Amino acid sequence: GGIITQTPKFLIGQEGQKLTLKCQQNFNHDTMYWYRQDSGKGLRLIYYSITENDLQKGDLSEGYDASREKKSSFSLTVTSAQKNEMAVFLCASSIGTGGYNYAEQFFGPGTRLTVL
Amino acid sequence: GEQVEQLPSILRVQEGSSASINCSYEDSASNYFPWYKQEPGENPKLIIDIRSNMERKQIQELIVLLDKKAKRFSLHITDTQPGDSAMYFCAASAGDSNYQLIWGSGTKLIIKP
Repeated sequence: GGIITQTPKFLIGQEGQKLTLKCQQNFNHDTMYWYRQDSGKGLRLIYYSITENDLQKGDLSEGYDASREKKSSFSLTVTSAQKNEMAVFLCASSIGTGGYNYAEQFFGPGTRLTVL
Repeated sequence: GEQVEQLPSILRVQEGSSASINCSYEDSASNYFPWYKQEPGENPKLIIDIRSNMERKQIQELIVLLDKKAKRFSLHITDTQPGDSAMYFCAASAGDSNYQLIWGSGTKLIIKP
């Protein structure tokens, strides 16, 4: 087994501020993901990383940067927080075999962002 | 981009009865269809999945059906219990990517005692 840790759990920012969210996993998984979850909507992919130093854009990448510093960690930066923005950011990881052998994604507890 | 439509958004069923959630997808190249359950305050967890070489899969009280021709798949929970109350998300693999999933908007299942 393993665990995914996300920090911080709650993040309050100001409009225009640059904010960084961090994710660590000890599954030794190759692939990591960042999703945004808005109330009443499904998960939307922001960025994913197939392996260390890899970075791939998801459908929602505009307004965000990401960095896969090492295999176990994947960080997400909100480049300019939008006023009244509220969402939960979920980090996930998988063994990342891809192709026909899609692997289960394991999720972290989330970071809840509020922008004042 | 490609979409996955999930209905209904809220489902209320009596304890002991069955619950059904339906999803439809657009990408004919999708070949993997997982279902995740998210309990209040928790992160989503995989409960069952089906691949395109199957039409039906069952794990205990969970049944997944896949109709590739109609591009539809569904989750059926038989003999629902209070612990089944949660958000349920369907997803379909993105045909042009080996790693991306396209997610439905979720169904809030409420089991009435």
